[in-house]
Amino acid sequence: QSALTQPPSASGSPGQSVTISCTGTSSDVGGYKYVSWHQHHPGKAPKLMIYEVSKRPSGVPDRFSGSKSGNTASLTVSGLQAEDEADYYCSSYAGSNNYVFGTGTKVTVL
Amino acid sequence: EVQLVESGGGLVQPGRSLRLSCAASGFIFDDYAMHWVRQAPGKGLEWVSGISWNSGYIGYADSVKGRFTISRDNAKNSLYLQMNSLRPEDTALYYCARPKAPYYYYCMDVWGKGTTVTVSS
Repeated sequence: QSALTQPPSASGSPGQSVTISCTGTSSDVGGYKYVSWHQHHPGKAPKLMIYEVSKRPSGVPDRFSGSKSGNTASLTVSGLQAEDEADYYCSSYAGSNNYVFGTGTKVTVL
Repeated sequence: EVQLVESGGGLVQPGRSLRLSCAASGFIFDDYAMHWVRQAPGKGLEWVSGISWNSGYIGYADSVKGRFTISRDNAKNSLYLQMNSLRPEDTALYYCARPKAPYYYYCMDVWGKGTTVTVSS
């Protein structure tokens, strides 16, 4: 159960797009459709932004989108806004009732 | 309102035990799997354990396997985490989390505010 690999940081100016990668293996990201992305502001509960690779829960802006290719999932935030500045974590089902989170990416809005 | 409230955290010496609880309200607890997720100071989120709606299947992170036990009492709308042989590296904010849909093990959608566990002598 190794953590999924994410870049430590990503940044963009307001209105720009940023894409965060999440690399796992065929035993987790590559093997299942159950990849999620959470936004986490310090001191608050994590918020589900994307589930099942590319689905958005109600209330999440369509500026947030997800995709997957092989063992790597990606989250794209388009039209960056100041409130998007947060930590983002991917997660994936890893079989045998196990789960794994990514290492986390701090997104900075310049 | 759907709500999860964790309790039971505190300061404990290495090697001792602690039991966390998560009280659920605002939804049919019996129908949902539940998870524990933690965040150590300055670190990322780490999945700890999960349990299906009927306790039929359970999973643990390798880091806690054999030391932690997850359980639930559907009659009390409560989730538990029994933590034994605690280590300093177990120091973290512990969240309980609920999946997005009933009978679904995946996609944690509802989270509590967490309870802090500090393991130190």
